[in-house]
Amino acid sequence: NAGVTQTPKFRVLKTGQSMTLLCAQDMNHEYMYWYRQDPGMGLRLIHYSVGEGTTAKGEVPDGYNVSRLKKQNFLLGLESAAPSQTSVYFCASSFGGREQFFGPGTRLTVL
Amino acid sequence: AQSVSQHNHHVILSEAASLELGCNYSYGGTVNLFWYVQYPGQHLQLLLKYFSGDPLVKGIKGFEAEFIKSKFSFNLRKPSVQWSDTAEYFCAVMTTGTASKLTFGTGTRLQVTL
Repeated sequence: NAGVTQTPKFRVLKTGQSMTLLCAQDMNHEYMYWYRQDPGMGLRLIHYSVGEGTTAKGEVPDGYNVSRLKKQNFLLGLESAAPSQTSVYFCASSFGGREQFFGPGTRLTVL
Repeated sequence: AQSVSQHNHHVILSEAASLELGCNYSYGGTVNLFWYVQYPGQHLQLLLKYFSGDPLVKGIKGFEAEFIKSKFSFNLRKPSVQWSDTAEYFCAVMTTGTASKLTFGTGTRLQVTL
């Protein structure tokens, strides 16, 4: 089992460009999450999903959109990237009420 | 909304020293508690978790944590650290009925010197 995978691993964008980060899990988890990690701030929840076709806002959702068309995939989109979105992005998945399993992360730089 | 405090931001220890990292949370209801570790350049891995039962929980690599409900604390301990324990440690709280969302502390960077 691959667990939670994320693509790409690294990306550099110019301000105003768009991109999509892909998260995939092969554990049949219902719940999936997107976090951003910034120095000194821990991990902050961007959006999450409790099942296929459902999404909800987390703590810092502005500037991001998500979609969960298939149970195993959770996409995070940046419509118009800004330097403030420079961060490391982590995806996670879980069964409800249990621990979350994390992907390897995507390091995004917005110039 | 719940919050998690990790008061030690950066801890430097010599090998074989004992470790205790503090974690306090603010929430009056039932919680599930976690410690995650992030080795340099890697993703978060679960160290240990508490859902119910014995408040002293043991995790991987010799780590343990004690849940003290009256103090809203879940401190992480290890009797003797190794150089390979150098990493960032995150405490996290899951409250019931919140789609299993985690609230993380800001993390503690542990540096173990030889």
